[in-house]
Amino acid sequence: DIQMTQSPSSLSASVGDRVTITCRASQSISTFLNWYQQKPGKAPELLISAASSLQSGVPSRFSGSGSGTDFTLTISSLQPEDFAIYYCQQSYGTPTFGQGTKVEIK
Amino acid sequence: QLQLQESGPGLVKPSETLSLTCTVSGGSISSGSYYWGWIRQPPGKGLEWIVSSYYSGSTYYNPSLKSRVTISVDTSKNQVSLKLRSVTAAETAVYYCARHVTLGYYYYMDVWGKGTTVTVSS
Repeated sequence: DIQMTQSPSSLSASVGDRVTITCRASQSISTFLNWYQQKPGKAPELLISAASSLQSGVPSRFSGSGSGTDFTLTISSLQPEDFAIYYCQQSYGTPTFGQGTKVEIK
Repeated sequence: QLQLQESGPGLVKPSETLSLTCTVSGGSISSGSYYWGWIRQPPGKGLEWIVSSYYSGSTYYNPSLKSRVTISVDTSKNQVSLKLRSVTAAETAVYYCARHVTLGYYYYMDVWGKGTTVTVSS
């Protein structure tokens, strides 16, 4: 299995902050990398596919980048509704997810 | 608007079979190049992909679960079903149904159900 490791596991930030979450794959996965947001008690929602393709309806403050083994999810200006857990997921092999990054209010 | 709704027993005994159904509304399960599948999430933990299937039969499995998993797609009822045999307490989780978009290696879940909680306990 391809292992996905996210960092940090959690972070505290304020509204308006720029936030960056990193996801590293155990082997090269090209750009076969997706990002999801999950709020408490809710199902995950797809934010970004193919490393950098923003899904329809997702605010432009979210962006993704990277290829190979290293990827980032950036929130340019954190909003109150962005406090959630974020997961990366690779699709180069059997789909696997990172362990999640919890974004909390500072 | 496409909606997915999971249903099934909330309590399953250890060693028995977990059976869940996902009912798709607002669209046909046999339209487009979508797969339909299942992901689970133990309490307080991360996500684990289980299985997905195309309506006409092509199926992908998580190798660690393949020997115990059956997925079926019923186009007449617009439903996809999951059976997981010989469950243990460690498989207590929220089980999600999701639509899978496949474009070669680009493979992601773009529509999810709300999830159903399954507890494995005697």
